[in-house]
Amino acid sequence: RKEVEQDPGPFNVPEGATVAFNCTYSNSASQSFFWYRQDCRKEPKLLMSVYSSGNEDGRFTAQLNRASQYISLLIRDSKLSDSATYLCVVNRDNYGQNFVFGPGTRLSVLP
Amino acid sequence: NAGVTQTPKFQVLKTGQSMTLQCAQDMNHEYMSWYRQDPGMGLRLIHYSVGAGITDQGEVPNGYNVSRSTTEDFPLRLLSAAPSQTSVYFCASRGDAGKLFFGSGTQLSVL
Repeated sequence: RKEVEQDPGPFNVPEGATVAFNCTYSNSASQSFFWYRQDCRKEPKLLMSVYSSGNEDGRFTAQLNRASQYISLLIRDSKLSDSATYLCVVNRDNYGQNFVFGPGTRLSVLP
Repeated sequence: NAGVTQTPKFQVLKTGQSMTLQCAQDMNHEYMSWYRQDPGMGLRLIHYSVGAGITDQGEVPNGYNVSRSTTEDFPLRLLSAAPSQTSVYFCASRGDAGKLFFGSGTQLSVL
């Protein structure tokens, strides 16, 4: 079993839809959590960090459930520009030496 | 504001050839790392460094060497290229709050 697993995708949704991505991690000692976005043939870029209390950034909401070792990302009112692969990233320690990446979930927002 | 600069963008090698992927950052980050990304898999850590003169192995270090003589530079060397090393390579440095900054990637093909 992979240490970080994500919905296999791809997700094809119409503009304006709400879409949710799920991620689970197996290492209960994991300390910090992130969502990165990767456009086709480009480098990953940080979308948002994920905090225990949940956090929101505009149309994006991230949730963390440490007991279930589960992370989610909700995108509301999808835009064409949201089309990308979304990577769930877990850091095993607070020293930033052990980032583990999920395989990613691809999203296509259709006109 | 250059961030992380990675070269070359594309490279084709023959089996057994050696080469060096260059990575430089101008953000004075102590932590730098190299990842490879293969289809259907998350980014996997090859080597990382927590400061000049200090390097350590990641998940998939075999066939690669690194050194860190300065804070800015973190080159990755392929000693004797193999077809299994065909991949996309990303260099990254870590900033505040665990945020990773990636270079634009190197697409490497080993024939």
